[in-house]
Amino acid sequence: DIQMTQSPSSLSASVGDRVTITCRASQSISRYLNWYQQKPGITPKLLIFAASSLQSGVPSRFSGSGSGTDFTLTISSLQPEDFATYYCQQSYSSPWTFGQGTKVDIK
Amino acid sequence: QVQLQQWGAGLLKTSETLSLTCAVYGGSFRGYYWNWIRQPPGEGLEWIGEINHSGSTNYNPSLESRVGISVDTSKNQFSLKLRSVTAADTAVYYCAGSGASGFFDYWGQGTLVTVSS
Repeated sequence: DIQMTQSPSSLSASVGDRVTITCRASQSISRYLNWYQQKPGITPKLLIFAASSLQSGVPSRFSGSGSGTDFTLTISSLQPEDFATYYCQQSYSSPWTFGQGTKVDIK
Repeated sequence: QVQLQQWGAGLLKTSETLSLTCAVYGGSFRGYYWNWIRQPPGEGLEWIGEINHSGSTNYNPSLESRVGISVDTSKNQFSLKLRSVTAADTAVYYCAGSGASGFFDYWGQGTLVTVSS
């Protein structure tokens, strides 16, 4: 199985901050990397697919980059509604696997 | 717009079989893979398996010995069965749709399944 490791596991930030979350794969996954946002008690929501493609309806302050084994999710200016847990997921090789999550909370 | 609605028993005893069903409304049932994903309380996401409209399945090896996913194309529904459950199977179970690129862009509302002794 491909292991996905996110860092940090949690972070505290303020509204307006630039936030970067990293996801590392245990082997190369090309650009088969997707990002999700999950708020407590809510279904996960797809933000970015194929490393850098923004899902329809997702604000442009979200962006993704990377290829191979190292990827980043960036929120350019954190908004109150962005406080949530973020997961990366690889779709290169089955079984599809997720990172352990990064919780973004209010400083 | 594709919508997924899921249902099934929320409370099981150890060794029983978990059974959930997900109905797909709108969009193309044939064009997607239909997945089950679970999330233990306070933990991350684990992919369980997938099925396509023709019934071809793909399971997570960690659960393959106990899991079965089936499809009913006449109703645009797919179902999950997980045998011999234990407390470790307590989780919110989600159904989800994915295209050929493997990302999950449609999700059901989730069902909390609790296994007790």
